[in-house]
Amino acid sequence: AQSVTQLDSQVPVFEEAPVELRCNYSSSVSVYLFWYVQYPNQGLQLLLKYLSGSTLVKGINGFEAEFNKSQTSFHLRKPSVHISDTAEYFCAVSMDTGRRALTFGSGTRLQVQP
Amino acid sequence: GAVVSQHPSWVICKSGTSVKIECRSLDFQATTMFWYRQFPKQSLMLMATSNEGSKATYEQGVEKDKFLINHASLTLSTLTVTSAHPEDSSFYICSARGDGNRATEAFFGQGTRLTVV
Repeated sequence: AQSVTQLDSQVPVFEEAPVELRCNYSSSVSVYLFWYVQYPNQGLQLLLKYLSGSTLVKGINGFEAEFNKSQTSFHLRKPSVHISDTAEYFCAVSMDTGRRALTFGSGTRLQVQP
Repeated sequence: GAVVSQHPSWVICKSGTSVKIECRSLDFQATTMFWYRQFPKQSLMLMATSNEGSKATYEQGVEKDKFLINHASLTLSTLTVTSAHPEDSSFYICSARGDGNRATEAFFGQGTRLTVV
């Protein structure tokens, strides 16, 4: 079984400042890693994913994440945030075989302040 | 990209009635569909996994007789909440996964806000 821990439930940050949302995972098998964003009363939009290869993954809207196998982490970063980045962010993991159902972290609320 | 459409986006029903939620993959064949439930300010909890033409696999603690899932075709899965009660009020989200290039990623619907009164 896999598990995901998002260490911060809320992250307040000022506009144009950098931000890092932390994610750690646990799994006994190889996994895929994902970051999703959710705006109020909407579904999830994929920001980026790590399947294999380069550990630095670039996604949409200027986000990137780095897979660190030794630390079992997949932290999300953005060098300069905008008001429109205010949303809920979910880190997720799935096995790389089988049905590949996603296991989600508890989410991090990013609140960008002017 | 792949599009998953979920309908309705919100529904209010009376206690004791049943509600059906549809999840459609619009531009790809969804070999596997997933149904999640999300409580306010919480994460998504997997309810069940369905494959086209076979019975759904429910997660532990999810009542299969209450949450009926049908995956009749490669583009449509439905979730029926039977004899709904106020505690079933929640945000329900489906996702779909295909084959080939669409096998490594699950695409999400917009979600359905269910309110049982």
